[in-house]
Amino acid sequence: NAGVTQTPKFQVLKTGQSMTLQCAQDMNHNSMYWYRQDPGMGLRLIYYSASEGTTDKGEVPNGYNVSRLNKREFSLRLESAAPSQTSVYFCASRPATSGRDNEQFFGPGTRLTVL
Amino acid sequence: GESVGLHLPTLSVQEGDNSIINCAYSNSASDYFIWYKQESGKGPQFIIDIRSNMDKRQGQRVTVLLNKTVKHLSLQIAATQPGDSAVYFCAENIGSNTGKLIFGQGTTLQVKP
Repeated sequence: NAGVTQTPKFQVLKTGQSMTLQCAQDMNHNSMYWYRQDPGMGLRLIYYSASEGTTDKGEVPNGYNVSRLNKREFSLRLESAAPSQTSVYFCASRPATSGRDNEQFFGPGTRLTVL
Repeated sequence: GESVGLHLPTLSVQEGDNSIINCAYSNSASDYFIWYKQESGKGPQFIIDIRSNMDKRQGQRVTVLLNKTVKHLSLQIAATQPGDSAVYFCAENIGSNTGKLIFGQGTTLQVKP
């Protein structure tokens, strides 16, 4: 199993450009999450998908959209990138749709710079 | 609102010593906590978790203590090794069954040989 994979690993955008960050998991997990991590900070939740077909906002959703394409894939889109969106983006997945006691498994991250 | 904070941004210990990393939380209704380890250039990796009906849980070389009275938890690493050098985050489950997590800012553990 590859676990959680993310593409691309690195990306540089100009202000106003758009792009989609891809995430896929092969663990048959139901829930998936997108976080951003700024230097010296913890992770902040952007959007999540508790199960296939559902998505909800997290702490910092402004400027982003998501698509739960199928059970495996959860993409994050920046429609018009801004320098404030320069960050490292992590995707995570979790086995269950219910119950509090399930760890999240994280991908390796996408390092995004917006000039 | 909810917040999870770590007491010290950096902790430096000698190889072989025990390490203690602290975390405070503000929501008394929180009932599930996780510790993650993040090595440079990688995603967070699960270390150990604890539910609020417990005050201690042990893993391999790691122990998590939870004090609900003062809303504090700690991660203890026994016989710290160079491979333990990383950033450690505590995270709080805030979303009932959704699995949503609030992360602290992290403590960098530096292990001196």
